[in-house]
Order: sequence, then C-alpha cells, then structure tokens
Amino acid sequence: EVHLVESGGGLVQPGGSLRLSCAASGFTFSSYSMNWVRQAPGKGLEWVSYISIFSSTIYYADSVKGRFTISRDNAKNSLYLQINSLRAEDTAVYYCARGEYSSGSFDYWGQGTLVTVSS
Amino acid sequence: EIVMTQSPATLSVSPGERATLSCRASQSVSSNLAWYQQKPGQAPRLLIYDASTRATGIPARFSGSGSGTEFTLTISSLQSEDFAVYYCQQYNNWPPVTFGPGTKVDIK
Repeated sequence: EVHLVESGGGLVQPGGSLRLSCAASGFTFSSYSMNWVRQAPGKGLEWVSYISIFSSTIYYADSVKGRFTISRDNAKNSLYLQINSLRAEDTAVYYCARGEYSSGSFDYWGQGTLVTVSS
Repeated sequence: EIVMTQSPATLSVSPGERATLSCRASQSVSSNLAWYQQKPGQAPRLLIYDASTRATGIPARFSGSGSGTEFTLTISSLQSEDFAVYYCQQYNNWPPVTFGPGTKVDIK
C-alpha cells in the first residue's frame, strides 16, 4: 500500500526557515515524479513544486521561486522541501503528492504538515 | 498561466440524486484534466484523470467527461460519503499545474 508521510511543519517567525520531509513507502519511489502542494486554511489547493525521478527537472510556482528548494533522496525514499524567507502567506498545510505514472495528475497524497508563519 | 473556474461554488443535493459539477479552463487543456475529492481534515483523493479515466478504486458512480475548455464530473447517485469539496486540475500547460477553486457538495 502506498504511504506518504510528511513531517517538519511547525510555527515559525516571518523570515524564518523550515525543512519539510516526506517519507514514501509501498512503491518504487525512484520511479515516480513527486510534488508539493499546499492549502492555506479554508482555501483551495496550490501547486508548489515538482521534481522528476532523478532530480534532473525541477519546477516551482512563481510565488515560491527563489525561496523554496525541492529535493529528493531515492536511496532513502524521501522527498524534501526547504522553505526559507517565510511569509505570513506561506501559512498552509503542505502535502507531498506522487505524480501519476502516465499523466500529470497526483494519484497519492500524504496527510499533510502544517506550517504556520507568525510572530 | 491557465485559470480554472468551477461552478457552482456550492451544490446542495439529496442522497441518491445525481450531481453534476462543471469546470472550465481559460484555454484548451485538451484532455489533461483531473478531478479530486477532499473531505474535511483529509488530503485530496484522485478520482478522475485524463478527463474521463477513473483512478484505482474509484466507484463507477463517478464519471468525467469533456475536453478542450469544458469539463464535467458527474456523480450518478450521491452516497453519504460523497459530500465533500471537489477540485479540478489541469496539467496540459505546466508549470504551473493549476487547480480550480472547488465545488462544495453538501446535503440538501
């Protein structure tokens, strides 16, 4: 069974940093692209970042470009998101999501980790 | 960036009735569209991809149709567990992948 478990969220002051992790199990992690998607409280879904299977292709939403860094460790079945220069508008639940093999949809999601940016 | 819109914002339906949700793209996305269901406090769940292909384990009462800029998600006979928020997502022109604002299906 596919499992994605995020961790690393918490309360951080504006301008601060966090590193989010996503532990994958139940599938061959190195065969799938991965994404981060976030959801501000009471709001809709916002795609944040994409990484290909060997990290050769990486994309970011304009809203996070230059502040967030996605990475993966296929040997550890793990996905990461380094988030720097945090702003209040970055407050959200951050989900890791697996890229569906044949399409650009996201077929499995973790339960999410909450990042709260506040002084 | 492709902008996705969804209508209605809220749909009130009685159990057993049919629900029809709409999604529109600001430009053609071909058939590169997915639908997700999200219940309170839970992660989204993929229902439909490539506009009309049901994801693994999704009941047959969920169906998707459309191409280009107009798409529909139909739930043929609403069950109690289907009351949730539904999002469409395009992945034709990306980055960025973009989502619609969602349609909340609640109990009439």
